Amino acid sequence: GESVGLHLPTLSVQEGDNSIINCAYSNSASDYFIWYKQESGKGPQFIIDIRSNMDKRQGQRVTVLLNKTVKHLSLQIAATQPGDSAVYFCAENRGSYIPTFGRGTSLIVHP
Amino acid sequence: GAVVSQHPSWVICKSGTSVKIECRSLDFQATTMFWYRQFPKQSLMLMATSNEGSKATYEQGVEKDKFLINHASLTLSTLTVTSAHPEDSSFYICSAEGRASSTDTQYFGPGTRLTVL
Repeated sequence: GESVGLHLPTLSVQEGDNSIINCAYSNSASDYFIWYKQESGKGPQFIIDIRSNMDKRQGQRVTVLLNKTVKHLSLQIAATQPGDSAVYFCAENRGSYIPTFGRGTSLIVHP
Repeated sequence: GAVVSQHPSWVICKSGTSVKIECRSLDFQATTMFWYRQFPKQSLMLMATSNEGSKATYEQGVEKDKFLINHASLTLSTLTVTSAHPEDSSFYICSAEGRASSTDTQYFGPGTRLTVL
């Protein structure tokens, strides 16, 4: 189900480093997963998605890994840039187009 | 890519008044739109699913009479917060599912910041 917390986990990295943001999902029946990026005061922006029949998918500077055994999803950002600073949400879909959002992780990139 | 707009981007109103927020799909037709609310440092919570030409489906715990949703056309859905109170202050975000989406994703609007005094 939905995960709501009072404090967002925070990941701080140096510019140029690789970032790994993790997410645990709740429902083993979920078959589609999405990572969103949300900058302050804006709506979520689609980054990358992956279906449950895959365990890895690569985009431009981003890679999503899916481990269905432990219900874990990760987003890897290569050569992190200050413009990558944002809150990142994973979302899971269970046979519909309505994503259930995870808690979110705040990524802070230091120049 | 598909663009979804919201209007207004922010609004301040007095307690007891009603506020209408518009969500438009600019370059595609959206048979289904979704409304979310987001409190500071928290995740997005789905409020309701809006289908063109029919009544919205509300999530558990969301008051139908409080949050009126109208989806009169394939490009416009509105959310009206009736008799707003300070606890309704939040960031409201809509999303739209395209009729001919190439991917199984929703397109999100930029959000509307509602502050009720």
